[in-house]
Amino acid sequence: AQKITQTQPGMFVQEKEAVTLDCTYDTSDPSYGLFWYKQPSSGEMIFLIYQGSYDQQNATEGRYSLNFQKARKSANLVISASQLGDSAMYFCAMREAGGSNYKLTFGKGTLLTVNP
Amino acid sequence: AAGVIQSPRHLIKEKRETATLKCYPIPRHDTVYWYQQGPGQDPQFLISFYEKMQSDKGSIPDRFSAQQFSDYHSELNMSSLELGDSALYFCASSLTGGFDNSPLHFGNGTRLTVT
Repeated sequence: AQKITQTQPGMFVQEKEAVTLDCTYDTSDPSYGLFWYKQPSSGEMIFLIYQGSYDQQNATEGRYSLNFQKARKSANLVISASQLGDSAMYFCAMREAGGSNYKLTFGKGTLLTVNP
Repeated sequence: AAGVIQSPRHLIKEKRETATLKCYPIPRHDTVYWYQQGPGQDPQFLISFYEKMQSDKGSIPDRFSAQQFSDYHSELNMSSLELGDSALYFCASSLTGGFDNSPLHFGNGTRLTVT
């Protein structure tokens, strides 16, 4: 079974607008962490934001925020005031405390295109 | 700040040849991970090392092997290369003293093309 599901293969947004990228996850582990990474066309993987399963507040990092709904098992990434440089593939990933050595499992990704 | 260094950036090999990818983790990071990302795919976990000992193994073919050396750098060795091995190979490192919010820091990857 897929542990991380990203249902939006591609998304379009106008420059300066906000966009939400969806991520749902599946785990029976009470302790886990959720991460978002950005992969531009150049290929590198850039860490954006983290949310722990016990965190009471939604994580925020600059223009990135994470809409964490634990009961729904969703961890959507919100990008505010989109910029042309935000065009990239975005991956949601999970780390489970019961897993071996804390590796990350990735979703299939969402390709975001920011239009001028 | 120092990042994860991978070499080479690009590698072209023929079928049945061997390849060695190198990774230098961020100083003081104790865990190294290798991932394979095929075209248009998500990264797939191959193998990891904690303090130079293999700690976890994913979907790594038997033709591949890896190790971490005393200076903490790691190498991924790939033999009998197949066309399907063409992919972007990432090394990542983290400081994992326990389950916490330490992200994996990725290198820029090695793009392997098998012809």
